[in-house]
Amino acid sequence: QPVLTQSSSASASLGSSVKLTCTLSSGHSSYIIAWHQQQPGKAPRYLMKLEGSGSYNKGSGVPDRFSGSSSGADRYLTISNLQSEDEADYYCETWDSNTHVVFGGGTKLTVL
Amino acid sequence: EVQLVESGGGLVQPGGSLRLSCAASGFTFSSYDMHWVRQATGKGLEWVSAIGTAGDPYYPGSVKGRFTISRENAKNSLYLQMNSLRAGDTAVYYCARRSGGYSSGYYYYYMDVWGKGTTVTVSS
Repeated sequence: QPVLTQSSSASASLGSSVKLTCTLSSGHSSYIIAWHQQQPGKAPRYLMKLEGSGSYNKGSGVPDRFSGSSSGADRYLTISNLQSEDEADYYCETWDSNTHVVFGGGTKLTVL
Repeated sequence: EVQLVESGGGLVQPGGSLRLSCAASGFTFSSYDMHWVRQATGKGLEWVSAIGTAGDPYYPGSVKGRFTISRENAKNSLYLQMNSLRAGDTAVYYCARRSGGYSSGYYYYYMDVWGKGTTVTVSS
């Protein structure tokens, strides 16, 4: 079954850009994933679906500052012009017919 | 507005039972598969169960045999019956809507709407 690997933490300065990575395990590099944001004390929020081609579809109301891209087994979430409200945990998710839902361990983003 | 609202959480003793509910609005509930996902304090997201539009349930090994997911389309409602609860089941429980499609020869699914969650505490 697929495994999603994320760095546990990341940091970037207010107004700068950051690129978060979600890596699919061997044999699953073509899988489509979703990115979710979880601000402190809040429920997760769907950000986008991201394909291996790099094509992505964002959820309703997700700011233009959020974009996605892909390279091989890596799926990226780029946040431009970082705002204080972007400080959150970011999770990637995928699906497999055997294990059904798989989440990455999450990346805690700190905005400096 | 598409919305999911969970209820039914609370404090329960180990070995006890609890039934969670999720009220859906703003979309055709019967047309979507639905999930329950939980999160223990300071931990990541953990998938708990899913149910298809035909009522077919799916569970991970950690809850299989103890939890039962169901739905009542006439009431736009999703449920999670939790039995034989353990301290390790303590978490915020979220319901989520599943969307998906077909691309490059295979199906894919993801959660695209989340509720605000309900807290379950298992403690004596």
